[in-house]
Amino acid sequence: SQKIEQNSEALNIQEGKTATLTCNYTNYSPAYLQWYRQDPGRGPVFLLLIRENEKEKRKERLKVTFDTTLKQSLFHITASQPADSATYLCALATSGGYNKLIFGAGTRLAVHP
Amino acid sequence: GAGVSQTPSNKVTEKGKYVELRCDPISGHTALYWYRQSLGQGPEFLIYFQGTGAADDSGLPNDRFFAVRPEGSVSTLKIQRTERGDSAVYLCASSAETGGNEKLFFGSGTQLSVL
Repeated sequence: SQKIEQNSEALNIQEGKTATLTCNYTNYSPAYLQWYRQDPGRGPVFLLLIRENEKEKRKERLKVTFDTTLKQSLFHITASQPADSATYLCALATSGGYNKLIFGAGTRLAVHP
Repeated sequence: GAGVSQTPSNKVTEKGKYVELRCDPISGHTALYWYRQSLGQGPEFLIYFQGTGAADDSGLPNDRFFAVRPEGSVSTLKIQRTERGDSAVYLCASSAETGGNEKLFFGSGTQLSVL
């Protein structure tokens, strides 16, 4: 069956450290993958998109990697801050020309001062 | 408006009642999506509109759910004969184009509680 898995346990890290979140998938061939941030009571906010032919994408303190052989994406936040505390969602899109995204359940990140 | 607006933010109803949830997308966005998010889960696709037409409604759970977008902007998600299992946050999202890799802008959602 098709699955997207993110760490279900919360990730607790110290301010200034690098947070690494994992997204694994099975039985999909995604055309691209997106990462979103979600705060309590709010909708997801887009962070980064990486295509199947890209290995790595960066934006400020954020970095995403995409390994289609391992069927895995890693999401890194460097020099983490308490304001980075939120739930991070990965989402796959196969093809079809529109954003029929399949989301993982998300990983909650808590950055402690 | 500045972002995607959803009303009401909270809706409490009784089992068997009819509800309507409204979405105002970002002005000019042609693509509009409805997703549903249960507690502790990621959003789940319901329906996609390109302009006025529902291009993909494969995520609607059953025929009690229906959505419209008559003028290509505001959309309404309609749920008939609500059941307790319909309780969730209903999220609307829009995007500027339909290339398939455009980022989605989400609203804050409508928390639906069916008692």
